[in-house]
Amino acid sequence: GESVGLHLPTLSVQEGDNSIINCAYSNSASDYFIWYKQESGKGPQFIIDIRSNMDKRQGQRVTVLLNKTVKHLSLQIAATQPGDSAVYFCAENNASGTYKYIFGTGTRLKVLA
Amino acid sequence: DTEVTQTPKHLVMGMTNKKSLKCEQHMGHRAMYWYKQKAKKPPELMFVYSYEKLSINESVPSRFSPECPNSSLLNLHLHALQPEDSALYLCASSQDPGSSYNSPLHFGNGTRLTVT
Repeated sequence: GESVGLHLPTLSVQEGDNSIINCAYSNSASDYFIWYKQESGKGPQFIIDIRSNMDKRQGQRVTVLLNKTVKHLSLQIAATQPGDSAVYFCAENNASGTYKYIFGTGTRLKVLA
Repeated sequence: DTEVTQTPKHLVMGMTNKKSLKCEQHMGHRAMYWYKQKAKKPPELMFVYSYEKLSINESVPSRFSPECPNSSLLNLHLHALQPEDSALYLCASSQDPGSSYNSPLHFGNGTRLTVT
């Protein structure tokens, strides 16, 4: 079946280091991917997205990499800060106009001082 | 701050109560969503409205009744809920996925619902 999963449920990173959060997906028809950050007591916040015609997209301190060959998505956070501590979800959607966004299980990022 | 506003932030209700959750967005989005999120789990889709018409009902029990009064508002009416319905209820909106490209969901901060 379709699934979007994460390799690590919890990631602990030293402040100032780079973080890499991974996500695997199984639906080869997926062509649009999103990363969300969810802080405690808040809703998921959009971070960055990428379409399948791209391999890499950069934002402010964040980079998303897409490897369609192995159906793998990653979020890289540069110079991780305490404010980056949150749960990160990947989500995928396909181009057929579906309203269904499939979410991964989530990774908790802990930033150590 | 989020551009999708949900009220109330917290709600405690008994199993015989009737209550409503409200959501509002002013981004001009034509698709609006209700998600349910249990602790340490990803959001689960409940309902989708597109252009104020119900497009998707993910086999949600009838004790949850959605309503879309206009393009900016989305309600979720609750009646005779069970304790296991306690969760964070998230509203989201997006540009219409039926357009030529996809766009992300924009979420509110949710209503934390406790059913006693």
